Amino acid sequence: GAVVSQHPSRVICKSGTSVKIECRSLDFQATTMFWYRQFPKKSLMLMATSNEGSKATYEQGVEKDKFLINHASLTLSTLTVTSAHPEDSSFYICSARVVAGTDNEQFFGPGTRLTVL
Amino acid sequence: AQKITQTQPGMFVQEKEAVTLDCTYDTSDPSYGLFWYKQPSSGEMIFLIYQGSYDQQNATEGRYSLNFQKARKSANLVISASQLGDSAMYFCAMREGLWDFGNEKLTFGTGTRLTIIP
Repeated sequence: GAVVSQHPSRVICKSGTSVKIECRSLDFQATTMFWYRQFPKKSLMLMATSNEGSKATYEQGVEKDKFLINHASLTLSTLTVTSAHPEDSSFYICSARVVAGTDNEQFFGPGTRLTVL
Repeated sequence: AQKITQTQPGMFVQEKEAVTLDCTYDTSDPSYGLFWYKQPSSGEMIFLIYQGSYDQQNATEGRYSLNFQKARKSANLVISASQLGDSAMYFCAMREGLWDFGNEKLTFGTGTRLTIIP
């Protein structure tokens, strides 16, 4: 099956710094990628839809200037958490849709655990 | 109203027994898809099974089957002959609308933590 990677898998940073998380589709091209956030013992919440070559579509309540998304190529989307604060600590997961694939799957990355001190 | 409801926060099941994880959904769109994902402690979301709203038969994938009751808006996951490796969080999710029209957003339930007891 299709493989999606995320880097880094874990990151610890100081409050006020910015953190970039990469999501890559390794063996397929993805015009659309999704970024989810998962709090401990909670469900996944869609943050934004990342479209290659265009601006991301953010869900209601998600700060665009806080969570910058760039989908520069068909295999890479990045999420930058700007001026991170402890409340941004969470598990961030990306997923990707295959360009010409089946209609019943998104392929998820392994997730990135962000801890802001 | 919650679009996806999973009423079982946790379940304990004896190894080799079958287990049913509940999921009910709410949508007015006649076209939708229902998914089940497994999330082990590592955090990765693993796709298990899919059911389309127009599918006539219940979906099956190995030991996984989806008990789709459209009129009741339920899509329960059944795992037969449970194994220790089945211990994980299980999420039900829904996509509203036809995939062809770019409707790819998934809404997830709150999950059920399944623990298999040896």
